[in-house]
Amino acid sequence: DAGVTQSPTHLIKTRGQQVTLRCSPKSGHDTVSWYQQALGQGPQFIFQYYEEEERQRGNFPDRFSGHQFPNYSSELNVNALLLGDSALYLCASSFFLNTEAFFGQGTRLTVV
Amino acid sequence: AQTVTQSQPEMSVQEAETVTLSCTYDTSESDYYLFWYKQPPSRQMILVIRQEAYKQQNATENRFSVNFQKAAKSFSLKISDSQLGDAAMYFCAYRSLTDQGGSEKLVFGKGTKLTVNP
Repeated sequence: DAGVTQSPTHLIKTRGQQVTLRCSPKSGHDTVSWYQQALGQGPQFIFQYYEEEERQRGNFPDRFSGHQFPNYSSELNVNALLLGDSALYLCASSFFLNTEAFFGQGTRLTVV
Repeated sequence: AQTVTQSQPEMSVQEAETVTLSCTYDTSESDYYLFWYKQPPSRQMILVIRQEAYKQQNATENRFSVNFQKAAKSFSLKISDSQLGDAAMYFCAYRSLTDQGGSEKLVFGKGTKLTVNP
């Protein structure tokens, strides 16, 4: 049983560029959440997707957007990258409203 | 808004000994979930233990147990018989049960880095 998989594992982008990160949820899970983890910090909630809609959003600007596909996989898009967007981006999947979330290994984004 | 505070940036323990990691939180809600997650160098967050606020009994998972003090809003993690594989970052997290509280999201503390010495 495959767990949560994220791609790519590492990424280097230039300030001002756009980036897309991908997440495949654990088999059977229908809900995907994204978190940003800056160096030395705990993860911060970005948003959650269920039934291809954004259900809730954290305190992140509109430059952060997402999408969920019919197969429950999800993408996180960040436009107009800033140096401060450099972080580990974690994807978590779960059954809708279930309390147990399973995390992927994250994508390390470096903005230069 | 809920907040989670971990006051110990780093802790160390000798192999086979016991260590306790501290966590406090702030909320106006009466029902919620609390979690401890482990993040090894592989970066994947792994659920260690979960506590429902309405349960008075402290949760236990093998060598891991919690001391949940609801009135004090304290949620500490005790690791018994520490093993080298326990070395990791440990994060305390809160989850609301209401839409208004943001039931979809986990609110994390800043983490405690645990070192296990052989």
